[in-house]
Amino acid sequence: GENVEQHPSTLSVQEGDSAVIKCTYSDSASNYFPWYKQELGKRPQLIIDIRSNVGEKKDQRIAVTLNKTAKHFSLHITETQPEDSAVYFCAASWGSGTYKYIFGTGTRLKVLA
Amino acid sequence: DTAVSQTPKYLVTQMGNDKSIKCEQNLGHDTMYWYKQDSKKFLKIMFSYNNKELIINETVPNRFSPKSPDKAHLNLHINSLELGDSAVYFCASSQRGDGYTFGSGTRLTVV
Repeated sequence: GENVEQHPSTLSVQEGDSAVIKCTYSDSASNYFPWYKQELGKRPQLIIDIRSNVGEKKDQRIAVTLNKTAKHFSLHITETQPEDSAVYFCAASWGSGTYKYIFGTGTRLKVLA
Repeated sequence: DTAVSQTPKYLVTQMGNDKSIKCEQNLGHDTMYWYKQDSKKFLKIMFSYNNKELIINETVPNRFSPKSPDKAHLNLHINSLELGDSAVYFCASSQRGDGYTFGSGTRLTVV
């Protein structure tokens, strides 16, 4: 069925450390994998995305990796800062032509100063 | 100059009432969506329109009816509101297979 598993559900790291969030998807046809950051009381905002023809993508302190064979993708945040504290959602496209994304259950990241 | 705007931001209403949420995007995107975020933060798709045509209609009670008068607008009407409808409803838009731009959300509380 339509499913994106996301782990961990909560993550606490010390400022300056790295954080890794992992997702697994079930639809082998999925070809687009966005990541969203949602601060308290705000809208989810796209922070990085990756398509299935690419294995890794980096944007300053954040990077995403994709393993199509294993149907895994991960978000890596380096040199974490207190403003990185938020809920992070992974998502995977589902089916074709509808641009429907199935979201993971979210990871609450807390960066401790 | 908000890209995806929703109104109202907050909605408190009694059980059994009918209410509407409006959404407008000025990004020129072809596709618009309604997502529901429950108290556990799960984001679940409800509907999607592409150029005014309904393309996604998830398992949602018939009390929920979307309407897209043009590709820049997508409204959500809810009849006979129930306590379980309390959630944050997000409108979003995208250009084909790109990432979504979400609206600021409408927090619906049914009492």
